[in-house]
Amino acid sequence: AQSVTQPDIHITVSEGASLELRCNYSYGATPYLFWYVQSPGQGLQLLLKYFSGDTLVQGIKGFEAEFKRSQSSFNLRKPSVHWSDAAEYFCAVVPSGGYQKVTFGTGTKLQVIP
Amino acid sequence: NAGVMQNPRHLVRRRGQEARLRCSPMKGHSHVYWYRQLPEEGLKFMVYLQKENIIDESGMPKERFSAEFPKEGPSILRIQQVVRGDSAAYFCASSPGESGIYEQYFGPGTRLTVT
Repeated sequence: AQSVTQPDIHITVSEGASLELRCNYSYGATPYLFWYVQSPGQGLQLLLKYFSGDTLVQGIKGFEAEFKRSQSSFNLRKPSVHWSDAAEYFCAVVPSGGYQKVTFGTGTKLQVIP
Repeated sequence: NAGVMQNPRHLVRRRGQEARLRCSPMKGHSHVYWYRQLPEEGLKFMVYLQKENIIDESGMPKERFSAEFPKEGPSILRIQQVVRGDSAAYFCASSPGESGIYEQYFGPGTRLTVT
C-alpha cells in the first residue's frame, strides 16, 4: 500500500544547530513530494516541492530537501535553526500523473532550545 | 490577493447538532480540498471538489458528512448530528488546478469542539 512515513514524532535541537527531518515514502513510481510547516493554531504553509530534475530543492526560510530515489526518501534540512522554526513539519506525497489525492505524513514536531 | 479563508475559526457544538464549515478559496482557484486533523495526527483527506462537482469523496465518512462547492459562494462542509469523535481541526485548501502539479494553499482551519 502507498504510504508516507515520518519516523520522528518529536525532535529537539539547539538554536543554531543543523536540522534534518526524515521522510520516506512507498509508491510504485516517483511521486511529487512536498514539505509543509504548521505553526500552532495555523494552517499549513508550503516550504518546498519536488516534481523532477535537480534532486536538491531549495525552499523558503532557508530550508532545503534532497530527493533520493534509491532510498525513497525526501529529507528536509536546514543548516542553522532559528527559534522561530519551532513548529510541526509535514511531508506530503502525490502520485504523479493526473489527479491523485495528497497523502500526508503524521508530522514531526520541532522544538528549538536556546 | 487574499489567501484561503475559513470560517468560523472555532466552532462549539453539542452532540446531535449540525456543524457548517465554510471555505472561500483563493481568487482564481476552482479546486477545493477538505482535510481533517485529529490531535497528534497528520491531515486526512476527506473530499475534493470543483465548482458544482464532487470529484473525489473517498475520504468522507459515509454518514452525516457532506460537502458542496456551489457555482457562487464558498465551499461548505456539513456535519449532521455531530458526535464527540468529530472534534478536530478541519482544513480547507485550494489550488488553481488538479493537485500534484499544483500545490495546495491552506486556510487557517476551523477547530470544531463537540461537547
